[in-house]
Amino acid sequence: DTEVTQTPKHLVMGMTNKKSLKCEQHMGHRAMYWYKQKAKKPPELMFVYSYEKLSINESVPSRFSPECPNSSLLNLHLHALQPEDSALYLCASSQRWGKDNNEQFFGPGTRLTVL
Amino acid sequence: AQSVSQHNHHVILSEAASLELGCNYSYGGTVNLFWYVQYPGQHLQLLLKYFSGDPLVKGIKGFEAEFIKSKFSFNLRKPSVQWSDTAEYFCAVIPYGNAGNMLTFGGGTRLMVKP
Repeated sequence: DTEVTQTPKHLVMGMTNKKSLKCEQHMGHRAMYWYKQKAKKPPELMFVYSYEKLSINESVPSRFSPECPNSSLLNLHLHALQPEDSALYLCASSQRWGKDNNEQFFGPGTRLTVL
Repeated sequence: AQSVSQHNHHVILSEAASLELGCNYSYGGTVNLFWYVQYPGQHLQLLLKYFSGDPLVKGIKGFEAEFIKSKFSFNLRKPSVQWSDTAEYFCAVIPYGNAGNMLTFGGGTRLMVKP
């Protein structure tokens, strides 16, 4: 299984809602990532988890709260988002954190619209 | 900080034309190099990667890329494009020894192939 899955595929939420994005991989990877991709732009790194611990937070606003409950799952909790947070949210995983010759496998993304 | 430049933002070709997309990076040391493709409405897929060895790398769907260390370049090529190659193409770099496998993406090149 060389797949990263993400749910939901689409999400529409109001600015006062609380929602969560989910990501799952069963490749035994111990590094997982959240990226944000705006239309016609490259993905931007948000968070890196290594061995279920948050290793990198790229100065992401606190209205985005990541969680890694186990080595296969990665969540992104959303609260009080703004319309400018509308984007495609991508999850990725790789074998290990900080190792060379490592590629990241991307999920299909969740397309988020904040009204 | 390293940067990745993709010189062509938009490319329009007719079917059967040859393709070359430029990618240059600024990091002076050893790097891992990647080309990703994103078809309309779909997720990022890895086209090919270079870690070491033969600088001419063959990927999926007839794509290849050549790593020229002296030019800090990793250009993507395909001898004969098809309408189905219409997509956004991203070059990405991870410097060796970079903790967290921090991918730096280029700005992307939007390819349109006319039938």
